Amino acid sequence: GAVVSQHPSWVICKSGTSVKIECRSLDFQATTMFWYRQFPKQSLMLMATSNEGSKATYEQGVEKDKFLINHASLTLSTLTVTSAHPEDSSFYICSASLGPVETQYFGPGTRLLVL
Amino acid sequence: AQSVTQLDSHVSVSEGTPVLLRCNYSSSYSPSLFWYVQHPNKGLQLLLKYTSAATLVKGINGFEAEFKKSETSFHLTKPSAHMSDAAEYFCVVSAAAGNKLTFGGGTRVLVKP
Repeated sequence: GAVVSQHPSWVICKSGTSVKIECRSLDFQATTMFWYRQFPKQSLMLMATSNEGSKATYEQGVEKDKFLINHASLTLSTLTVTSAHPEDSSFYICSASLGPVETQYFGPGTRLLVL
Repeated sequence: AQSVTQLDSHVSVSEGTPVLLRCNYSSSYSPSLFWYVQHPNKGLQLLLKYTSAATLVKGINGFEAEFKKSETSFHLTKPSAHMSDAAEYFCVVSAAAGNKLTFGGGTRVLVKP
């Protein structure tokens, strides 16, 4: 149980285009989902927290207009990187939990390369 | 505020020997503590978690960790390393409010045959 999937697993795009990444909880309803970013050989940094049906809460320094997060249902959250630039290239990982204080279960990650 | 320090960025062990990954934390709340493992280009897998019950926590794949409040530590151990244990390990602390996770810098484990 507690499986989280991400799609796509990797994506290459041109600078200036937008990319959407999906995060799904496959066998449970996730009231809260989190988006992280991981640079090579570094730890995970929380970008934002999203609760189903409400606006995401972004961490300090994360541009909410650039990283659009939607959590429209209890099993799906999306992260859209708008007008992507090479510096946005990274490994993006989502996690999902049953509630605000429950264990987070992580997706396999999406590697984004912006050319 | 909360923070996590993993004291070793790299650990190299021989197959069959014990593994020790060190973690110290600070937290304004009674923390929940976790160890996650990440294999190359993969997501994170939960090894074990401490949530104020027994101080010695047993996890998957033979790993265990001991919560020591007086030392603010949560070290991860395994009696006998396997080649498949080669990966990156993250110590993580969670505050009670908001479930926001703070990650340590990670420890990369190399297992030699």
